[in-house]
Amino acid sequence: DVKVTQSSRYLVKRTGEKVFLECVQDMDHENMFWYRQDPGLGLRLIYFSYDVKMKEKGDIPEGYSVSREKKERFSLILESASTNQTSMYLCASSRPSTGELFFGEGSRLTVL
Amino acid sequence: KNQVEQSPQSLIILEGKNCTLQCNYTVSPFSNLRWYKQDTGRGPVSLTIMTFSENTKSNGRYTATLDADTKQSSLHITASQLSDSASYICVVSGGQAGTALIFGKGTTLSVSS
Repeated sequence: DVKVTQSSRYLVKRTGEKVFLECVQDMDHENMFWYRQDPGLGLRLIYFSYDVKMKEKGDIPEGYSVSREKKERFSLILESASTNQTSMYLCASSRPSTGELFFGEGSRLTVL
Repeated sequence: KNQVEQSPQSLIILEGKNCTLQCNYTVSPFSNLRWYKQDTGRGPVSLTIMTFSENTKSNGRYTATLDADTKQSSLHITASQLSDSASYICVVSGGQAGTALIFGKGTTLSVSS
């Protein structure tokens, strides 16, 4: 069964801490994405990657960075977490030919 | 501006009843439209994809329609079940590069017994 796995379902961090959210997919997909989902705002794209070591800013990249050292792994980094980054973070992957997104289960981050 | 609008924002129906969710878009050029279902606390899962030439597509009790002229899509759920309670998200692919994904904010459906 195809799968996108996010390392942590729930995290609680302090303001100013560095946060790593890991995502691994086993479908050999070229494309990987990080979204955040907030009530009333829907899903918003933070960063995406079309290839290893390649990254592109999405709609709301401020305060975030990403890393894609291997095809199957895409990491989201919050260099200095702030309370307004409390959210549900969703990782997704897709093949360029189909465009269908396969999502992970999400990581709910709370920043105190 | 490329936008996707969904209505209603939320909906409550009794088990066994039918319902229809709406998605209007202004994405141009248009490539395709997908409906995703997101159970509470889970990631979205694709239900169906509609391309320019398709008017209707079914997936079990879910039937999606597309009117490319009016830029409207609907998702009809027949004989609703408690497990249909979820958020339904409309995603349109297109834009100048042909690959942009524009998300609607979703419709939250609650099915009660």
